[in-house]
Amino acid sequence: TQLLEQSPQFLSIQEGENLTVYCNSSSVFSSLQWYRQEPGEGPVLLVTVVTGGEVKKLKRLTFQFGDARKDSSLHITAAQPGDTGLYLCAGDSGAGSYQLTFGKGTKLSVIP
Amino acid sequence: GAVVSQHPSRVICKSGTSVKIECRSLDFQATTMFWYRQFPKQSLMLMATSNEGSKATYEQGVEKDKFLINHASLTLSTLTVTSAHPEDSSFYICSARRFRGVLLNEQFFGPGTRLTVL
Repeated sequence: TQLLEQSPQFLSIQEGENLTVYCNSSSVFSSLQWYRQEPGEGPVLLVTVVTGGEVKKLKRLTFQFGDARKDSSLHITAAQPGDTGLYLCAGDSGAGSYQLTFGKGTKLSVIP
Repeated sequence: GAVVSQHPSRVICKSGTSVKIECRSLDFQATTMFWYRQFPKQSLMLMATSNEGSKATYEQGVEKDKFLINHASLTLSTLTVTSAHPEDSSFYICSARRFRGVLLNEQFFGPGTRLTVL
């Protein structure tokens, strides 16, 4: 069974600070997605990374896929209150079932 | 693009009744859809994989006779909670896989359905 360890589980920071969320596994993933979910809504896809070592930027968000495709990170620069939400990483083993393995999520609160 | 709708968004029903939840991919075809359940402050728990034109695959511990899944077209999957009980109260979310190559498994989620069983 593949597991994705996501850390930290909770993060409360002041507006303007930087933060990094980590997603680690002992398993290799063919691709990995990051989602953001707000209360009472479904997760929204932020990015998909496929290639080992890949770095993708989405405005103030920087996503990195580890060289071995076992881990990933999300870095937010100058966090804003609008960044508040539950961040989920999800990996695809590439085994053909198309099921995603989800991390437990990071609950981010950005305080104005 | 890649919009998934879910209906209803909220439903309250009496114990013993059945509830149907629809999941539609609005601007793409989805041969594979997924049904998740989410408890408060927790991550998503996969219930079943729904494949167009074939039987759904259920995760261990999920009763297939209680959670009926039908994926009758490339844009619609339905989840029916039969004889619902209060313990079935939860947030149910569907996702649809958009095919963009074998190595790219992107899933797009619906907005979720809050089920409350009285």
